[in-house]
Amino acid sequence: RKEVEQDPGPFNVPEGATVAFNCTYSNSASQSFFWYRQDCRKEPKLLMSVYSSGNEDGRFTAQLNRASQYISLLIRDSKLSDSATYLCVVKPGTGANNLFFGTGTRLTVIP
Amino acid sequence: DGGITQSPKYLFRKEGQNVTLSCEQNLNHDAMYWYRQDPGQGLRLIYYSQIVNDFQKGDIAEGYSVSREKKESFPLTVTSAQKNPTAFYLCASSIPGYEQFFGPGTRLTVL
Repeated sequence: RKEVEQDPGPFNVPEGATVAFNCTYSNSASQSFFWYRQDCRKEPKLLMSVYSSGNEDGRFTAQLNRASQYISLLIRDSKLSDSATYLCVVKPGTGANNLFFGTGTRLTVIP
Repeated sequence: DGGITQSPKYLFRKEGQNVTLSCEQNLNHDAMYWYRQDPGQGLRLIYYSQIVNDFQKGDIAEGYSVSREKKESFPLTVTSAQKNPTAFYLCASSIPGYEQFFGPGTRLTVL
């Protein structure tokens, strides 16, 4: 079983739509969770960390469900500039510095 | 202007040659990492270093070597022993245990 699993998509949504991505992780001891954004042929960039209580940054909301071992990312009022691949990232434990990356979910926002 | 730089951006190698990819950071981060990304796959960890003069193998270290003689620098050598080296190589750095920041990547193609 993979450490982190994501639906690869693609998700094609119209401008203004709300879209949600889920991601599951296998290690129940995982401590930290992140969403990264990766544009085509570019490096991943941190979008937001995911906190236990859930957190919001403008149009983006991230939530963590430890009992079911999944995290989610909600994007409201989608913009054309949101088109990218969104990577779910999990840090396995307090003693580890490496991260586990999902394969990414591809989003295309259509005019 | 703080950040991570990688060079070259594109690299072409003949089979049987060793090549070295450069990664430099001026973020004063102790930890540095090398990942490989192939189409349709998540990032896979090659090597990481938590402190100068120390490094550990990641999930796919075979055919690669690294050094960490300076805090700012973590070069990766792709040796002729690496059977399928064509990929997008990403270097990252972090404060140990915190989110990672990526360089722009090097695209290596074996001819």
